[in-house]
Amino acid sequence: AQSVTQPDIHITVSEGASLELRCNYSYGATPYLFWYVQSPGQGLQLLLKYFSGDTLVQGIKGFEAEFKRSQSSFNLRKPSVHWSDAAEYFCAVGLNEKLTFGTGTRLTIIP
Amino acid sequence: ETGVTQSPTHLIKTRGQQVTLRCSSQSGHNTVSWYQQALGQGPQFIFQYYREEENGRGNFPPRFSGLQFPNYSSELNVNALELDDSALYLCASSSGQGRDTQYFGPGTRLTVL
Repeated sequence: AQSVTQPDIHITVSEGASLELRCNYSYGATPYLFWYVQSPGQGLQLLLKYFSGDTLVQGIKGFEAEFKRSQSSFNLRKPSVHWSDAAEYFCAVGLNEKLTFGTGTRLTIIP
Repeated sequence: ETGVTQSPTHLIKTRGQQVTLRCSSQSGHNTVSWYQQALGQGPQFIFQYYREEENGRGNFPPRFSGLQFPNYSSELNVNALELDDSALYLCASSSGQGRDTQYFGPGTRLTVL
């Protein structure tokens, strides 16, 4: 069965600093991978997705992620964070009809 | 284009009661998936409906059931509510099966007392 690990429960960064959120997956075939963002009490908004092809994918709000098959990773990056990026971030792997999510990383931005 | 909508936004029930949550899929989508998100956790897959048929189910007991209607809207029903059913219930719609992107609604917050 597939699984997703987000090793960082909570990350704090300064506004304007760079960001990297880690995601590792366990899956027996080529996965399709997603990053979603969730503001408090809200649903999930898709940031970006990887199905195949170029391993560096661009998303909304200036986010990007890189698929590394050798490391089973799909880390999310942003070169310069804004206060509005404070939220919960979820990595997910897709198999047929369902998504399997990690436990999330809460991002706090300090001035 | 109308996004995924869910109703109600919040509701409070007592243990042993039954509840029905509703979801309207995004225009052009024929697949609806339901997820349960407990506080501080990632969403857990409950089941998916594709063209009115159940198309996959997660590790949830039979008291969690669903329906999909000809207009592709969907209901999630939970019988004999337990305290642990308190969670945010998320609905997601997509345009088919397999490698499709799921778009999520705002969720329904269920509290069981």
